[in-house]
Amino acid sequence: AQTVTQSQPEMSVQEAETVTLSCTYDTSESDYYLFWYKQPPSRQMILVIRQEAYKQQNATENRFSVNFQKAAKSFSLKISDSQLGDAAMYFCAYRSELGPLRNRDDKIIFGKGTRLHILP
Amino acid sequence: DAGVIQSPRHEVTEMGQEVTLRCKPISGHDYLFWYRQTMMRGLELLIYFNNNVPIDDSGMPEDRFSAKMPNASFSTLKIQPSEPRDSAVYFCASSLKNADTQYFGPGTRLTVL
Repeated sequence: AQTVTQSQPEMSVQEAETVTLSCTYDTSESDYYLFWYKQPPSRQMILVIRQEAYKQQNATENRFSVNFQKAAKSFSLKISDSQLGDAAMYFCAYRSELGPLRNRDDKIIFGKGTRLHILP
Repeated sequence: DAGVIQSPRHEVTEMGQEVTLRCKPISGHDYLFWYRQTMMRGLELLIYFNNNVPIDDSGMPEDRFSAKMPNASFSTLKIQPSEPRDSAVYFCASSLKNADTQYFGPGTRLTVL
């Protein structure tokens, strides 16, 4: 079964600085999707960035980028120019590319999360 | 689109009472997921539907929990009878048929006294 591990329960970064959140996963599959979700104090889960495993190029979304190392099964999130609004819980997630087939596990697997504090 | 809509946003009830949580997925999404989030257990998938059909309910804690999706635009998660350990934030999420990004609702904070 697939697992997702976020080894940093909490992190802090100075405003305007750069921070990297770690995520590793375990799978025997070759095709899958990886996600980073943000959960601010409002509790809503917001998709930050998504990466297809077959793409070698790292995904980027404005100040957010990932370092996807498929062989190492690592998927870290880098936040540049940190802002106070970035303070939240960040979840790394994995989903198989097997997709919507009965008897296949196409559920998203979430890590335990990393709480990010932004210091003014 | 208004996104995934959940109601109520907050629910406080007494042990033994029936609780019904509601979800309206994004129009056109074929998948609907119910999650529970607690400090102790993190985010847990309870059940998910594809085209209104329950596909996997292995995450449902016990028989006190039930979920239905009578049509493509509405789903309910019911707890009967409720217990204090059911206190949590319950999320509904939906996704497109051929896409893998799940869009989450704002969640329902349930407190069972």
